[in-house]
Amino acid sequence: QVQLVESGGGLVEPGGSLRLSCAASGFTFNDYYMSWVRQAPGKGLEWLSYISKNSGYTTYADSVKGRFTISRDNAKNSLYLQMDSLRAEDTAVYYCARDHDYADYWGQGTLVTVSS
Amino acid sequence: DIQMTQSPSSLSASVGDRVTITCRASQSISTYLNWFQQKPGKAPKLLMYAASSLQSGVPSRFSGSGSGTDFTLTISTLQPEDFGTYYCQQTYGLPRTFGRGTKVEIK
Repeated sequence: QVQLVESGGGLVEPGGSLRLSCAASGFTFNDYYMSWVRQAPGKGLEWLSYISKNSGYTTYADSVKGRFTISRDNAKNSLYLQMDSLRAEDTAVYYCARDHDYADYWGQGTLVTVSS
Repeated sequence: DIQMTQSPSSLSASVGDRVTITCRASQSISTYLNWFQQKPGKAPKLLMYAASSLQSGVPSRFSGSGSGTDFTLTISTLQPEDFGTYYCQQTYGLPRTFGRGTKVEIK
């Protein structure tokens, strides 16, 4: 069955960096776009970024453009989110999701806390 | 950016009730509209895609309709397990914006 498992979250100081990973299994990873979505504590969902099947196309929300970088390794069935220059407002649960024109499978999320 | 406005922001209904949630886009999005259900502490779950297509495994009491700017999610007969927060999302343009959510409580 389709599984997405995020890892790499944790506590980081403002201005710091973190790299999230998403391990995919149960489907042909390189057949799908992949996305990152986050949810701040007690808030709604915010779409962040997605990447095409062969990494040739990436796009970002304005809130993270220039600070976050999405990437994938199809040989390892893995999706990544490199997060730099982190701010307190980046504190959230980060989800990876399999994407077509809709996100049909989601991981369980990983919590990122940006605080000194 | 395309703004998605959901209403109501919350509702309380009894088991067996018919529940309708609406989502309005700030511009036409054709039928590029998806609905998600999220329970506390859990990841969102896709219910409907392309406005009216039921995701595999989702009970048939859920239905979606609309095109252009106005969309609805209907739960025909509310069940106890349908509590949670429901989000619409457009995938017509970038960024792929979500509505602010509708919290459904069971009376």
